[in-house]
Amino acid sequence: SAVISQKPSRDICQRGTSLTIQCQVDSQVTMMFWYRQQPGQSLTLIATANQGSEATYESGFVIDKFPISRPNLTFSTLTVSNMSPEDSSIYLCSARDRTYYEQYFGPGTRLTVT
Amino acid sequence: ELKVEQNPLFLSMQEGKNYTIYCNYSTTSDRLYWYRQDPGKSLESLFVLLSNGAVKQEGRLMASLDTKARLSTLHITAAVHDLSATYFCAVDITQGGSEKLVFGKGTKLTVNP
Repeated sequence: SAVISQKPSRDICQRGTSLTIQCQVDSQVTMMFWYRQQPGQSLTLIATANQGSEATYESGFVIDKFPISRPNLTFSTLTVSNMSPEDSSIYLCSARDRTYYEQYFGPGTRLTVT
Repeated sequence: ELKVEQNPLFLSMQEGKNYTIYCNYSTTSDRLYWYRQDPGKSLESLFVLLSNGAVKQEGRLMASLDTKARLSTLHITAAVHDLSATYFCAVDITQGGSEKLVFGKGTKLTVNP
């Protein structure tokens, strides 16, 4: 199984600023994803982080707001840009092991925008 | 648009009882995932069901998949308090050449002594 770590675990940010969340997987994985989860709600996929190419964004999410990098098979970053209180949420990194179809989740980053 | 519907969304049950959580989905898929989430925690993988008729069991939980009916069930046997958590099903779909999970809304399970 893959172990995923995220930094920071939580942050409180001012409106209009940006925050970059880092995701590290302890093994090489073919697919990495970024999800958002509002408290008490389900998970919504933001984008698939593609290694060596631009991320694939879901409807309602755009690159200017949520730029994503994935420089190698174990690491990805998500930036939440020009934040507003509506961006307050938990952001989860996820990775899939295609061999066994297991998909794992990181511990999440709890973001509060004031 | 793919819909993944779980029911019930809230379930309060007594210890020792049995119950089933249902997950219906609206498109063709051969893979379905079940996760558990405790308050303030991330998602823990419970089961990955990879084909029609797949059945997996771990302790008091058993999951099954019927791809023809587009239905998965998570059966709880003789519930204990430690099973209190939110359970999500997620359907694996391929869209635009890439695979992704689409989640249900979750079932919040409370097991009372």
